[in-house]
Amino acid sequence: DTGVSQNPRHKITKRGQNVTFRCDPISEHNRLYWYRQTLGQGPEFLTYFQNEAQLEKSRLLSDRFSAERPKGSFSTLEIQRTEQGDSAMYLCASSRTGNINQPQHFGDGTRLSIL
Amino acid sequence: AQKITQTQPGMFVQEKEAVTLDCTYDTSDQSYGLFWYKQPSSGEMIFLIYQGSYDEQNATEGRYSLNFQKARKSANLVISASQLGDSAMYFCAMREAVSAAGNKLTFGGGTRVLVKP
Repeated sequence: DTGVSQNPRHKITKRGQNVTFRCDPISEHNRLYWYRQTLGQGPEFLTYFQNEAQLEKSRLLSDRFSAERPKGSFSTLEIQRTEQGDSAMYLCASSRTGNINQPQHFGDGTRLSIL
Repeated sequence: AQKITQTQPGMFVQEKEAVTLDCTYDTSDQSYGLFWYKQPSSGEMIFLIYQGSYDEQNATEGRYSLNFQKARKSANLVISASQLGDSAMYFCAMREAVSAAGNKLTFGGGTRVLVKP
């Protein structure tokens, strides 16, 4: 396993700008998840893909957020018109399909700071 | 209502001693899984150990073990022989089988552990 890869590691941008993050899951994993983690809190679920299909979106995912996973490989998370409250760590995870015991493997995250 | 509760925001432990991190959960599902993750200051989430709701024995993985008490809905993590590298945030998480979100994880608020030399 080469692990889950996320880019960039850090992103600093001005309020109102658009940002896009990328996640490359472990190659044999067909499930991909996005989470958001604010300082001092546990991660919160944002959205989930099985292969290329986006099967679930949290209510945390406002209309300014969009995620894609073309061809069921890497995924992108875009935030439009960023706001101060979007400042957080964005974590991507992947797992195999299967039993409930399949752990999700996380990337190192992208830390977003909104000026 | 909180699905995962970690009541200890922070703990000190002496190197080479054991430490127990508390986790209680709330679910009406019969089938669920409980996971513990470690998050060092560098930010990555590292999977440590898993306990299934139907597992009759407590899970163990090296220096990590899980004290699973199903009737009390608790799944406490025990770290034995603490090392300086164990200093990190620890998160308890639950996956419910009937969740539509492909078994998304619900996390607790975490416990920060600091190992003293």
